[in-house]
Amino acid sequence: DGGITQSPKYLFRKEGQNVTLSCEQNLNHDAMYWYRQDPGQGLRLIYYSQIVNDFQKGDIAEGYSVSREKKESFPLTVTSAQKNPTAFYLCASSPGAGVATDTQYFGPGTRLTVL
Amino acid sequence: GDSVTQMEGPVTLSEEAFLTINCTYTATGYPSLFWYVQYPGEGLQLLLKATKADDKGSNKGFEATYRKETTSFHLEKGSVQVSDSAVYFCALSDPGSNYKLTFGKGTLLTVNP
Repeated sequence: DGGITQSPKYLFRKEGQNVTLSCEQNLNHDAMYWYRQDPGQGLRLIYYSQIVNDFQKGDIAEGYSVSREKKESFPLTVTSAQKNPTAFYLCASSPGAGVATDTQYFGPGTRLTVL
Repeated sequence: GDSVTQMEGPVTLSEEAFLTINCTYTATGYPSLFWYVQYPGEGLQLLLKATKADDKGSNKGFEATYRKETTSFHLEKGSVQVSDSAVYFCALSDPGSNYKLTFGKGTLLTVNP
């Protein structure tokens, strides 16, 4: 089945540790995205990538880093510089790069809790 | 910049009631408009979309019409079911903002039997 997988579903880390969240898609989509969801805040864009080996900062990129070495994969690292990392993280992909009508397809999310 | 404002929840309805969730937007370009639904503990699923003025998106009994004159995209359903209980997000994709999705804050709907 085609889709987006995120792992793990729940992740616990100690304060001050970096942590990497996985996102893989087998939809052959060009564009991939990372969002952060907090209660009552909707979704906020962290980073996005429209093509392999290229990515751009979203609205809240500070304290996060990404890579896009393969079309299928877009891992997100939450660094110790992120002041409030506890949140629900959602990965998404869309077929084209720079097409407003494209639907974004979402993974099931990873809930990160920093203790 | 772009923004989406949707009615604050939570919204609680009885089964078979009529649903409206209001959504208005501000965009620099000519956006596409979306409604996504999120069930507890899951990611978002596209519910419906509209890509130009006066388009009506529809799916699973839900409808929304792209109204450019009022910059609105209100979600409606004539008869809700318990299984419709979820969080609903209105969103826009604007060419003027490099096609990024901008979301509203979400509206929690609870439908009681």
